[in-house]
Amino acid sequence: QKEVEQNSGPLSVPEGAIASLNCTYSDRGSQSFFWYRQYSGKSPELIMSIYSNGDKEDGRFTAQLNKASQYVSLLIRDSQPSDSATYLCAVRGDSNYQLIWGAGTKLIIKP
Amino acid sequence: GAVVSQHPSRVICKSGTSVKIECRSLDFQATTMFWYRQFPKQSLMLMATSNEGSKATYEQGVEKDKFLINHASLTLSTLTVTSAHPEDSSFYICSARGTFNTEAFFGQGTRLTVV
Repeated sequence: QKEVEQNSGPLSVPEGAIASLNCTYSDRGSQSFFWYRQYSGKSPELIMSIYSNGDKEDGRFTAQLNKASQYVSLLIRDSQPSDSATYLCAVRGDSNYQLIWGAGTKLIIKP
Repeated sequence: GAVVSQHPSRVICKSGTSVKIECRSLDFQATTMFWYRQFPKQSLMLMATSNEGSKATYEQGVEKDKFLINHASLTLSTLTVTSAHPEDSSFYICSARGTFNTEAFFGQGTRLTVV
């Protein structure tokens, strides 16, 4: 069974520091990887997508993908209290573009 | 990103009644729509996947006669919770993907409370 694993947290990071979120996946054939942010009571919103090995930067966010080790990470620089949310890792399977979801990591940025 | 509109955002209904939730893609054609359910402090649980004009594919354990999904057009999918019971109370979220999109975009979600 295809799985996506995340540490549930909570991960507590001081304001201004770098938050590092990790995700591992079981299906070696996966090609597309996504990070979503979900605030309490709201639906997820796409933060980053990454498709090839290496780093992808967008503002304060950097996604890192290592297909050999089957992990994808999200770095948030200069963390802000507004970054406090649950971060969901999703991996695209090969059937019907269905996303396989991790359980999410709760991130708390402390002022 | 693309816009997906879900309506209503919040609904309270009596036990035994049916509730319809709409999911519309506003600026793209959604060839595939996904319906999720999320209980408090839990992750998203995929209920079903639907392609326009085809019957939905339900995940194991999801009753297709209870959760009716219609995806009759490229911009609209509906989820009807029939004969709702208190245990159906949850946060229901739709997600849509277009032909040329690899990522899926989410609606705002519907908070269903069955009393």
